[in-house]
Amino acid sequence: EAQVTQNPRYLITVTGKKLTVTCSQNMNHEYMSWYRQDPGLGLRQIYYSMNVEVTDKGDVPEGYKVSRKEKRNFPLILESPSPNQTSLYFCASSPLEARLRETQYFGPGTRLLVL
Amino acid sequence: KQEVTQIPAALSVPEGENLVLNCSFTDSAIYNLQWFRQDPGKGLTSLLLIQSSQREQTSGRLNASLDKSSGRSTLYIAASQPGDSATYLCAALTQGGSEKLVFGKGMKLTVNP
Repeated sequence: EAQVTQNPRYLITVTGKKLTVTCSQNMNHEYMSWYRQDPGLGLRQIYYSMNVEVTDKGDVPEGYKVSRKEKRNFPLILESPSPNQTSLYFCASSPLEARLRETQYFGPGTRLLVL
Repeated sequence: KQEVTQIPAALSVPEGENLVLNCSFTDSAIYNLQWFRQDPGKGLTSLLLIQSSQREQTSGRLNASLDKSSGRSTLYIAASQPGDSATYLCAALTQGGSEKLVFGKGMKLTVNP
């Protein structure tokens, strides 16, 4: 089954404790992206990647890091989480050549609470 | 900078009504306009995608239209059912720079039996 998976699905942590949210897709997509969703603000893009070793900032990259060492994986790293990073996070992927014609496939979301 | 707006933020209707959900965008330089459905605790499910050269798309009881010149899209849901209750999001894939998907804040729909 074609899918985007995220782990963990739910996470409670404390300020300053480094964490990684993993994202993996099994569709051989080049393009991957991270979004955060907050009440009243909608979904906003954090980082995206056009292919392996190619990443770029989205609208709200502060406090986040990403890496793209393999095509299927695109982890989101919070080096020193703060309470304002409490949010619902989504990973998405799509084929690069069809990105302008086809939709992105979204993961199930990771709900993060930073105390 | 592209801005996507969905009004109202919430709608509650009795079962069986035909519904029109509105989406407006400020920059007409888009590749496509997409509608998603989001259920609580779940990810986004793509409903319809309208290319910038198209006027509408249909899938079952859903029909989405696009008027680029006026910066508007509508999602029409025929004969609404309680199972249609969810949050509906529209998003514009905007040209230029990173060609990113810009989302509206969503409209929470409740269909009452």
